[in-house]
Amino acid sequence: AQKVTQAQTEISVVEKEDVTLDCVYETRDTTYYLFWYKQPPSGELVFLIRRNSFDEQNEISGRYSWNFQKSTSSFNFTITASQVVDSAVYFCALSEASAGNMLTFGGGTRLMVKP
Amino acid sequence: DTGVSQDPRHKITKRGQNVTFRCDPISEHNRLYWYRQTLGQGPEFLTYFQNEAQLEKSRLLSDRFSAERPKGSFSTLEIQRTEQGDSAMYLCASSGITGSSYNEQFFGPGTRLTVL
Repeated sequence: AQKVTQAQTEISVVEKEDVTLDCVYETRDTTYYLFWYKQPPSGELVFLIRRNSFDEQNEISGRYSWNFQKSTSSFNFTITASQVVDSAVYFCALSEASAGNMLTFGGGTRLMVKP
Repeated sequence: DTGVSQDPRHKITKRGQNVTFRCDPISEHNRLYWYRQTLGQGPEFLTYFQNEAQLEKSRLLSDRFSAERPKGSFSTLEIQRTEQGDSAMYLCASSGITGSSYNEQFFGPGTRLTVL
């Protein structure tokens, strides 16, 4: 069965600090996809990134970067020079190609960036 | 607006009443998903459709819940005889299939249900 664990329930940082959100997953499939979504106070889930299991290249997009390591079943998300607008709940999610691509979400990490 | 839309955005009902929610996916997407999110938790999968076919249902979807996508476009989720435990945000998402590529799911704003 697939499972996603986000051990950090809440993180508080001061603006301009770097912050890393952890995500550990479990799956028996060899073909799977990992995602990060942002849920700001407005409530709508915003897609950030997708990674497939065959692509372990790390990715950077502006102040965001993602570190995918199959050896440790982790897909961590780092925000560099955090800003107040980054305050939100961030969800890591997993889908298995054999399971209709339904998403299994972690419990989320609430990030609070203080000015 | 070309995103996923959901109606209503908020619904307050009394225990025992029936409620129905609607989701309009992104027009070219053929997969549609329903999730439920309770306070402080991540969304949980309920069911999904590929075109008009309902392909999978979670164990969370009791017999009081029914979902349809009659023409492969919009979908409805009905809850009969609502219970206080049904209070949650109901999220709809859609994705498209392009050949063998996987397409990420785009979420609507959700319908927040409160059962009194």
